[in-house]
Amino acid sequence: ETGVTQTPRHLVMGMTNKKSLKCEQHLGHNAMYWYKQSAKKPLELMFVYNFKEQTENNSVPSRFSPECPNSSHLFLHLHTLQPEDSALYLCASSLNVKVSEAFFGQGTRLTVV
Amino acid sequence: AQKITQTQPGMFVQEKEAVTLDCTYDTSDQSYGLFWYKQPSSGEMIFLIYQGSYDEQNATEGRYSLNFQKARKSANLVISASQLGDSAMYFCAMRGAQTGANNLFFGTGTRLTVIP
Repeated sequence: ETGVTQTPRHLVMGMTNKKSLKCEQHLGHNAMYWYKQSAKKPLELMFVYNFKEQTENNSVPSRFSPECPNSSHLFLHLHTLQPEDSALYLCASSLNVKVSEAFFGQGTRLTVV
Repeated sequence: AQKITQTQPGMFVQEKEAVTLDCTYDTSDQSYGLFWYKQPSSGEMIFLIYQGSYDEQNATEGRYSLNFQKARKSANLVISASQLGDSAMYFCAMRGAQTGANNLFFGTGTRLTVIP
């Protein structure tokens, strides 16, 4: 069982819907990340949280809103998305934001219709 | 700026043979880490192996080894004795201690297919 758990695994939503992606890590890590993986593109970093504080927002549109209530949980709130936002959204955690490896969840496959 | 290049979109290997997946990188950081991840069709990114820029020995983890050539800025992954379960996407990634501290920069990946 992975130490990083994402729910739901699959999500289909309309452009006017509001939904949330959830990520939970049981590794005692202090940094958590949201990545977006689109077809034929490298993984794109969206947000970074270190000790619950957002340390990076990689020019992500405001229709994506992250929330990190504690070091173990990370949410991505979705609102009025576009079809081009359809992608695999991966959550990751690492011990810190320096040179340590990140461990990923299984991702949420999001389809916006 | 950080950049990772994987020039092989797809690779095939016979079961039980070894295969090398190429990765070159570019960074202005003096201290950085290099990583390889495996992504099966299920979607999860599985951490395989790590090489620090100051490590003098090449990293090894079971059947995985990293051929680190610092002067050439290459960090190729070698998988020995390939198994059918090795079929997946493989991503090379890098994190810099200074300029890229918050981010793992990923390459575009190589799809490995193991042939029985």
